[in-house]
Amino acid sequence: NAGVTQTPKFRVLKTGQSMTLLCAQDMNHEYMYWYRQDPGMGLRLIHYSVGEGTTAKGEVPDGYNVSRLKKQNFLLGLESAAPSQTSVYFCASSPGQRDGYTFGSGTRLTVV
Amino acid sequence: GENVEQHPSTLSVQEGDSAVIKCTYSDSASNYFPWYKQELGKGPQLIIDIRSNVGEKKDQRIAVTLNKTAKHFSLHITETQPEDSAVYFCAASWIQVNNLFFGTGTRLTVIP
Repeated sequence: NAGVTQTPKFRVLKTGQSMTLLCAQDMNHEYMYWYRQDPGMGLRLIHYSVGEGTTAKGEVPDGYNVSRLKKQNFLLGLESAAPSQTSVYFCASSPGQRDGYTFGSGTRLTVV
Repeated sequence: GENVEQHPSTLSVQEGDSAVIKCTYSDSASNYFPWYKQELGKGPQLIIDIRSNVGEKKDQRIAVTLNKTAKHFSLHITETQPEDSAVYFCAASWIQVNNLFFGTGTRLTVIP
């Protein structure tokens, strides 16, 4: 049972480039989330989804877009990368609204 | 929105001693309080959680206490071991929102 799988694990982008981070879960969870983790700031929610075909904004959504075309996948897109988006990105999923999250192992993104 | 404050930011203890990490939350409607452990290079992992209808929960060497009146909850680790060294995050959620709000983390170091 793989749990939550994130790809890629590392990426370096130039300012203005675009990319998509993929998150896949095999636990049939309804809820999926994208967080970013920065030193001293904990985990901040970017976007989330409460089911297939739904998405919603979190605390820091600017500069990011998401899609949940299939229940098991949640994609995070950066249309025009900026140095401020240098961070570690974590995807998570949960069965319901007030259940524990299962996190992926993260994607370390550097924008130069 | 919800604000979760976590203290201390760093904590060092001798192996075998106890460690306590405290969090406060701002919204009295918060009703779910999980704790996560993050080891170096990995995603956060749920270690224990508590809901607002109970005051304490234990799982072997770890316990969480909740004081709804004071709006704070704490993680207690007894008989600490070197493998307990990690960053610990508290979080809170309430029924009107679909996500968790995380504290800024505590780096626990257990000295052999």
